[in-house]
Amino acid sequence: KAGVTQTPRYLIKTRGQQVTLSCSPISGHRSVSWYQQTPGQGLQFLFEYFSETQRNKGNFPGRFSGRQFSNSRSEMNVSTLELGDSALYLCASSPGQGANYEQYFGPGTRLTVT
Amino acid sequence: AQSVTQLDSQVPVFEEAPVELRCNYSSSVSVYLFWYVQYPNQGLQLLLKYLSGSTLVKGINGFEAEFNKSQTSFHLRKPSVHISDTAEYFCAVSGRSGGYQKVTFGIGTKLQVIP
Repeated sequence: KAGVTQTPRYLIKTRGQQVTLSCSPISGHRSVSWYQQTPGQGLQFLFEYFSETQRNKGNFPGRFSGRQFSNSRSEMNVSTLELGDSALYLCASSPGQGANYEQYFGPGTRLTVT
Repeated sequence: AQSVTQLDSQVPVFEEAPVELRCNYSSSVSVYLFWYVQYPNQGLQLLLKYLSGSTLVKGINGFEAEFNKSQTSFHLRKPSVHISDTAEYFCAVSGRSGGYQKVTFGIGTKLQVIP
């Protein structure tokens, strides 16, 4: 099976712009989670989608939003970008929503805000 | 609420020496425990997981971890490290919270293997 894919891999934006990141999960996986990774904060949970519904949300401002499509592909949007949004954004998929499921990560999208 | 503490942000170790990366967690519910590894410019991949049963769990690349419920720890060990083990290692706990799965990651430990 193909792994989790994320596009684009690298992105440079300026403050105030908005950005959309895309994630294609492993075939058959219905749960998709998004994380923000920065050197000082580690992995911070953004949100999780399962069957097109947001099931869980981390402590991020409303500028961060997402959605999941019927084919389980997911997009994450960040509006009004700030310098502090520069980070590696990781998407992870899992077969289901149980706590015992491991997560399969994509390579990430490196976002730089200037 | 659940949390994960990785006590060491960086661990330098000589090649072929043993290593232990420490992880402590707290949770008000039963949890499952995971270790992930991240190589430079890549996403995370699973090293091993503890779901139930034997408290000693063996994973890929010769790593193992021991679940200690009384000490709420899940330390990762390898008896002899290789240069290729240089990476960042993340401990994670997964439990049910408010009816949904919640995964919490530690801040990561950078393992630097010195030739």
